Amino acid sequence: QLVVTQSPSASASLGASVNLTCSLSSGHSDYAIAWHQQRPGKGPRYLMKLNPDGSHNKGDGIPDRFSGSSSGAERHLTISSLQSEDEADYYCQTWSTGIQVFGGGTKLTVL
Amino acid sequence: EVQLLESGGGLVQPGGSLRLSCATSGFTFGSYAMAWVRQAPGKGLEWVSGVNDGGSGTYYADSVKGRFTISRDNSKNTLYLQMNSLRAGDTAVYFCARGLYCGSASCYKNAGYFQHWGQGTLVTVSS
Repeated sequence: QLVVTQSPSASASLGASVNLTCSLSSGHSDYAIAWHQQRPGKGPRYLMKLNPDGSHNKGDGIPDRFSGSSSGAERHLTISSLQSEDEADYYCQTWSTGIQVFGGGTKLTVL
Repeated sequence: EVQLLESGGGLVQPGGSLRLSCATSGFTFGSYAMAWVRQAPGKGLEWVSGVNDGGSGTYYADSVKGRFTISRDNSKNTLYLQMNSLRAGDTAVYFCARGLYCGSASCYKNAGYFQHWGQGTLVTVSS
């Protein structure tokens, strides 16, 4: 069964870096994912598609502070030089024929 | 600029029906897969349904299969979600999302990842 798993919460200080992880279920380590940001009270915003080889294509206007990487079944979103506006929920998404799957989301707090 | 604008949400009694619309602009609507995603109050994102560029390939989450119908009118650049037999558990903000460009990949029952989202419309199912 295709599943993606995220830690419920993360925190880091203003100006620091943070790494968020999305883990693909067993047997699905060759799947791409997408990362989305959702600020409070807003609709989601596409950040990037992240491939198994770590290559990624970001959405329009996404700052260079946002980057992605892959390692086995894990897909990482790294945000550097954290700003207060980065405080949001972050969701990973994967897909296959006939199904779309979202992780439970990670709530990022900027201290 | 790509824009997706949902409408049609509101308060409906259990067992009732509602039709959501998603008006789009800024891209060639008929060339892209589309989808509906919902978010219950205080919860995460849940995919609901998807459709390919031509409208022939529709697919649904098990939680709504047989009750919801996704459709599109490419002449009006609009996506729809017909929701019947609504339950309290369907209470959520419903977002429409743009998926894959179908000119370069097969979108039949595979909307891919979502590069653009609307702001959502709230559906409340309550007596």
